[in-house]
Amino acid sequence: DAKTTQPTSMDCAEGRAANLPCNHSTISGNEYVYWYRQIHSQGPQYIIHGLKNNETNEMASLIITEDRKSSTLILPHATLRDTAVYYCISTGTASKLTFGTGTRLQVTL
Amino acid sequence: DTGVSQNPRHKITKRGQNVTFRCDPISEHNRLYWYRQTLGQGPEFLTYFQNEAQLEKSRLLSDRFSAERPKGSFSTLEIQRTEQGDSAMYLCASRRDATGELFFGEGSRLTVL
Repeated sequence: DAKTTQPTSMDCAEGRAANLPCNHSTISGNEYVYWYRQIHSQGPQYIIHGLKNNETNEMASLIITEDRKSSTLILPHATLRDTAVYYCISTGTASKLTFGTGTRLQVTL
Repeated sequence: DTGVSQNPRHKITKRGQNVTFRCDPISEHNRLYWYRQTLGQGPEFLTYFQNEAQLEKSRLLSDRFSAERPKGSFSTLEIQRTEQGDSAMYLCASRRDATGELFFGEGSRLTVL
């Protein structure tokens, strides 16, 4: 699995877009980028994943750079309920997901 | 509830006792994972099953830890002769295929006194 680097913490005002960066400069061609989040005392929750193309679902958008060495998770309109630890993971197929320490996102009024 | 179910949710035990956790994955998911999480850290991979076969084990899984998935459905994680360092949240997750979404349960919190 490629190593990922994320900022330790970020703040975002409610209603604004939250842009969470992730560096995965050693990613290989068959490794996906996954994003999960974990709200206090709950199990991690899947957000989105992608390989090369940008992806969007009802929760978020994932922007992957052309060289695939970094990505950004975008929560378009952050709410207080989005306060959580966000994990960026890069892994190949049929592999376990290796979590780092993630980014603690604090959404404020 | 069609999600991943874990029992018990909380377990307090004395050092040296054995404990067992159970995980019921989503029914059509053939891949099942166990993770351990301590305060302030991300989940750490312990082991992985595809159907009943245990395909990968972390070095974190000492001889005191054993996991089974006898019929390819539910799984158990047993810790023998518990130590205070085993205190953690034990998370189970399942997925249908190799690259899809990994669904996590709410976890089983172990406290070893």
